[in-house]
Amino acid sequence: DAEITQSPRHKIIETGRQVTLACHQTWNHNNMFWYRQDLGHGLRLIHYSYGVHDTNKGEVSDGYSVSRSNTEDLPLTLESAASSQTSVYFCASSESFGTGNEKLFFGSGTQLSVL
Amino acid sequence: GQQVMQIPQYQHVQEGEDFTTYCNSSTTLSNIQWYKQRPGGHPVFLIQLVKSGEVKKQKRLTFQFGEAKKNSSLHITATQTTDVGTYFCAGPGSHNNDMRFGAGTRLTVKP
Repeated sequence: DAEITQSPRHKIIETGRQVTLACHQTWNHNNMFWYRQDLGHGLRLIHYSYGVHDTNKGEVSDGYSVSRSNTEDLPLTLESAASSQTSVYFCASSESFGTGNEKLFFGSGTQLSVL
Repeated sequence: GQQVMQIPQYQHVQEGEDFTTYCNSSTTLSNIQWYKQRPGGHPVFLIQLVKSGEVKKQKRLTFQFGEAKKNSSLHITATQTTDVGTYFCAGPGSHNNDMRFGAGTRLTVKP
């Protein structure tokens, strides 16, 4: 069965360190997204991609970067982690707009703590 | 940019009572989606509404899309403990493919 997986599930890092969160989907979806979830803020969009070599900034992109070298993967990098980036991070994928089936499939999330 | 506002933030009900959460957008939406997230879990898609005034039902859940396509609601009839979780609405952002979420309504149900 197709799926979307995130790794690691939990990560603790020191302030200023670089960390990359992995996201891999086997749905063959063109669209991939990274959200962060914080109490009181719901899900906020960090970056998204509509296909290979395409990346776009979301609502809260400062301090984060992504790259899309293939259809299956969209890794999220925190170049120099800050305590404000402590959060739960969700990756998601979807079919392209206009297909009538644009629902998001979410991974299980990564709990990141920056100390 | 497009913002989706959702109320209430929390709702605590007795089992068997009804529950409603509301979603409002500052702009007209081409579609709206609803998701449920169980405690400790990830958001799971429930439904997508596309047409003005659309009403869809899934068992005890009723979803509505406003005539102006700027608001939506989710109503649960006779809540059960299995309904516990956070319910999110989401609408497309400026690029149509980028879904922007409301802050969610956290539902707790007392047995």
